[in-house]
Amino acid sequence: QKEVEQDPGPLSVPEGAIVSLNCTYSNSAFQYFMWYRQYSRKGPELLMYTYSSGNKEDGRFTAQVDKSSKYISLFIRDSQPSDSATYLCAMSGQGAQKLVFGQGTRLTINP
Amino acid sequence: DGGITQSPKYLFRKEGQNVTLSCEQNLNHDAMYWYRQDPGQGLRLIYYSQIVNDFQKGDIAEGYSVSREKKESFPLTVTSAQKNPTAFYLCASSIGGAINEKLFFGSGTQLSVL
Repeated sequence: QKEVEQDPGPLSVPEGAIVSLNCTYSNSAFQYFMWYRQYSRKGPELLMYTYSSGNKEDGRFTAQVDKSSKYISLFIRDSQPSDSATYLCAMSGQGAQKLVFGQGTRLTINP
Repeated sequence: DGGITQSPKYLFRKEGQNVTLSCEQNLNHDAMYWYRQDPGQGLRLIYYSQIVNDFQKGDIAEGYSVSREKKESFPLTVTSAQKNPTAFYLCASSIGGAINEKLFFGSGTQLSVL
């Protein structure tokens, strides 16, 4: 079993839709949670960063962490074609040597 | 502009050949990393370095080698011992190397086998 599981998709939705991207994890020590966005053939860039449980909002993006369920989500409101990319979750915690990445979900927003 | 520069963008390797991927950063970051990305898989850590002249193996170091002679540079050599080298290689850096730090990535190198 992988430490972090992420549905690879692909996920295709119409412009303006609300998108929900999710990851589950098995290591209860994880406490730093990140979402990276990667455009095709480019390097990932950090989109959202959350420490421990709770919600964080930045514009059209909301990150949620539910540590009791070992489940994190990224919501995109009013999705735009420019949001079409691969979204990678990543996480780590005390005692971890490194950041652990999910497989990435490929998202397409159709005009 | 500050950032990470990877070169070349595309690289082809013949069987039995060693090839070197370049990574340079001008962010004055202490830590640098090499990741491998295969289709449908997450990023897997090959090597990382938190200080000049020191580096550690990641999860998939076999068949790869690195050096860190300068703070700005962290080249990766894919040796002939790496039997399945075709992948997208990403170099990254962070301020100090702590596990909760943001990673800054380069634009990647696509390596293919002829």
